[in-house]
Amino acid sequence: AQRVTQPEKLLSVFKGAPVELKCNYSYSGSPELFWYVQYSRQRLQLLLRHISRESIKGFTADLNKGETSFHLKKPFAQEEDSAMYYCALQDTNAGKSTFGDGTTLTVKP
Amino acid sequence: DTGVSQNPRHKITKRGQNVTFRCDPISEHNRLYWYRQTLGQGPEFLTYFQNEAQLEKSRLLSDRFSAERPKGSFSTLEIQRTEQGDSAMYLCASSRGLSGGQETQYFGPGTRLLVL
Repeated sequence: AQRVTQPEKLLSVFKGAPVELKCNYSYSGSPELFWYVQYSRQRLQLLLRHISRESIKGFTADLNKGETSFHLKKPFAQEEDSAMYYCALQDTNAGKSTFGDGTTLTVKP
Repeated sequence: DTGVSQNPRHKITKRGQNVTFRCDPISEHNRLYWYRQTLGQGPEFLTYFQNEAQLEKSRLLSDRFSAERPKGSFSTLEIQRTEQGDSAMYLCASSRGLSGGQETQYFGPGTRLLVL
């Protein structure tokens, strides 16, 4: 069975500080991992996906198969980064996703 | 196309009543997904469609739940004989349905159900 764990429910940092949101997964196949973000009063939307190896809004995430992790990082947090972040593991064949329970990030001025 | 839409946005019902939610996906998206989200948790997969075919149903989906996508466009999710435990946000998402994985799912705003 596939499982995604986000150990931190809440994370608070000051503006300009580095931030890391942790995500660990359990999956028997080759994982396809995503980070989704939900800003206040907005719908859930894709932030980035591991296969793209891209940086979105200054965020990056590296897939570490040895540690089964896909942590989200940003070197200098901004107040507008305050949101709920979900890590998701996608089934290779079906596309259905298993989500973690989310981390609420608060960036203080 | 403004994205995935869901109706109604809010629904309050009494225990034992039936409710139906509608999802309109992004045009030409072949896959449509239903998720349920309760407070403090991430979305949980319920079921998904490839065009009009319902390909997978979660064990979370009891016999009281049924979903359809009759013409491969919009979808409905019906809950019969609602229970208080059904109170949740019901999310719909769609994706292109390409093979090879890495499908970006586009989410609707959700329908919040409260069962009294």
